[in-house]
Amino acid sequence: DAMVIQNPRYQVTQFGKPVTLSCSQTLNHNVMYWYQQKSSQAPKLLFHYYDKDFNNEADTPDNFQSRRPNTSFCFLDIRSPGLGDAAMYLCATSRGFGVNEQYFGPGTRLTVT
Amino acid sequence: AQRVTQPEKLLSVFKGAPVELKCNYSYSGSPELFWYVQYSRQRLQLLLRHISRESIKGFTADLNKGETSFHLKKPFAQEEDSAMYYCALSPRGYNKLIFGAGTRLAVHP
Repeated sequence: DAMVIQNPRYQVTQFGKPVTLSCSQTLNHNVMYWYQQKSSQAPKLLFHYYDKDFNNEADTPDNFQSRRPNTSFCFLDIRSPGLGDAAMYLCATSRGFGVNEQYFGPGTRLTVT
Repeated sequence: AQRVTQPEKLLSVFKGAPVELKCNYSYSGSPELFWYVQYSRQRLQLLLRHISRESIKGFTADLNKGETSFHLKKPFAQEEDSAMYYCALSPRGYNKLIFGAGTRLAVHP
């Protein structure tokens, strides 16, 4: 009964070739987040959706975009991946504003060749 | 600047020994603070939050506003406590978590 699902678990892409990572949830949560985690570093928030409202972090590169077509799904698009974009990408959800627990997916490990 | 610092990358103890995982934060207001844990081959999950003042799996954490710290403690470590522990801060009114870099706890038999 997986609650936050990420596909694929491992993704290899070529330098400059667009790639899309997928996240789905069965929790019916309002908020969906995307974090980037590089080796031995803290997970870093890229952006989040509160329902259909998109909230970008100030230092998220323009190369990263996101789509949320419905409550259940959220996508991370990397338009032109560079070697520095190789990382673990974590999707998370929460019920809404306030001190709400975030539920994480297993992550997608992106390799850029 | 909003920042979470976990000074130890690795903490290695023997079973039954006390454990303290350090966390310091930088935030101008009153943050919400959390500890998240990631066991081997499992996803990141909430361990505890300061607002609940609860003890989970024998772990407790006290918010010290004077020292801007939120250290995680357990009096007697168990082998199953071996995991990666992340301290995280949520600015009040914002839907975001700012994570520390994590501390790997290794409990040896």
